[in-house]
Order: sequence, then structure tokens, then C-alpha cells
Amino acid sequence: GQQVMQIPQYQHVQEGEDFTTYCNSSTTLSNIQWYKQRPGGHPVFLIQLVKSGEVKKQKRLTFQFGEAKKNSSLHITATQTTDVGTYFCAGIKNTDKLIFGTGTRLQVFP
Amino acid sequence: DGGITQSPKYLFRKEGQNVTLSCEQNLNHDAMYWYRQDPGQGLRLIYYSQIVNDFQKGDIAEGYSVSREKKESFPLTVTSAQKNPTAFYLCASSMVQGRTEAFFGQGTRLTVV
Repeated sequence: GQQVMQIPQYQHVQEGEDFTTYCNSSTTLSNIQWYKQRPGGHPVFLIQLVKSGEVKKQKRLTFQFGEAKKNSSLHITATQTTDVGTYFCAGIKNTDKLIFGTGTRLQVFP
Repeated sequence: DGGITQSPKYLFRKEGQNVTLSCEQNLNHDAMYWYRQDPGQGLRLIYYSQIVNDFQKGDIAEGYSVSREKKESFPLTVTSAQKNPTAFYLCASSMVQGRTEAFFGQGTRLTVV
């Protein structure tokens, strides 16, 4: 069953506010990927983190991989309406299965 | 253009019938996956394949079957044994399973009537 949980499940923010979603695994992950799915669309790859404690930035998005490689976070600074969608983390375990998290749906109000 | 193609986009099936969803990629990727997405929920892994003629069950394989006779093709059959088949089905591929970016198709929305 699902072993990668994300919180919160939903988040509504005012445009300009920050947003963070957290991804937690019950077991150590080899690496973690983040995807964004726009309403009615399909998931699109954002980034991959591999190293313990790794931090990567993409413009207003900051991704972190925990020291124990069991958790990760995505932080968006100053959200825009174009950030609307569902954000998924996806973890790789020793079986090499790509397991997706439960997702966080972000709604941004102008 | 390189990419991954799923067909059809919408599919209606009568209860008790088997149906096959197509997934084709021309990215020369070794790994392919099938996920199921229910409204407001995440993606659950049905089957995955690392190489031709080999595939493994994911978390929710019951009621589904796949084949991987060609590198570029990974069709999914939803059998009558699947109790709740109505869902959005997504196919994906990656160069190396789990280690590189996964590319998704546009998805097939299956409705059982």
C-alpha cells in the first residue's frame, strides 16, 4: 500500500503567500523526485534529490531532502496563480519501484 | 517529436468486459509504468517493467494484466476481475527505473457503465 505520505492534503493560499508541502516515508529512500500535476493534466517532473540533506532551488521553489533520507519538502515563496495544481513527491526504494506520495493540492486565490 | 502516447483518451466499458489501454513511447526508455489515479487521490502503482519481456506487480495489480513484448509498448488490460475499474490511468516511462525523470502520457479516463 501507500507508504509515502504527504501533508497537507489541501492548501489554499492568497497570492503572494508562501506554501510548503511535506513528504514522509516509513523507510529510507534512495532518492526522491517531485512532480506537478495541473488540473486535468498529467504529472510533470520538477526535480530529483539524491544526497542526504540536499537542497535545490528553482526560482521560487526550494526542495530539501532530509538527513535520514526519509522525508522531503517543497517550499514555494510568494505563490502565484500559475502555481495551482497538485504536487507529488515520488520515492525510490531498494526495489526500484517509483512510489508516489498522496499529493498536496494547492489552490491560489488572486 | 519524442514522447509517450496513451490511447484512447476516454473509454467506456460495460461491466464484465475486459478492456486494453494502449501506451507507446519513442523515447527509447527501458522502464515503463502504469499508475491509477482516483479523484482527489495520488498515483498508485499497478505494474512496472524494467526491460522487454519482464514486468513486476505494483501495489494494486489485482484485476490487471500487462505485457512488454516490445521496448516501446506497454499495454494494460483491465479485466472483469477488477472490482472498481473506473479511474484515470497514467502510463509513464523513464530511461532508468526510478533513477531518472519519468515522462507521463496524457492519461486514459476509463468509465465502467
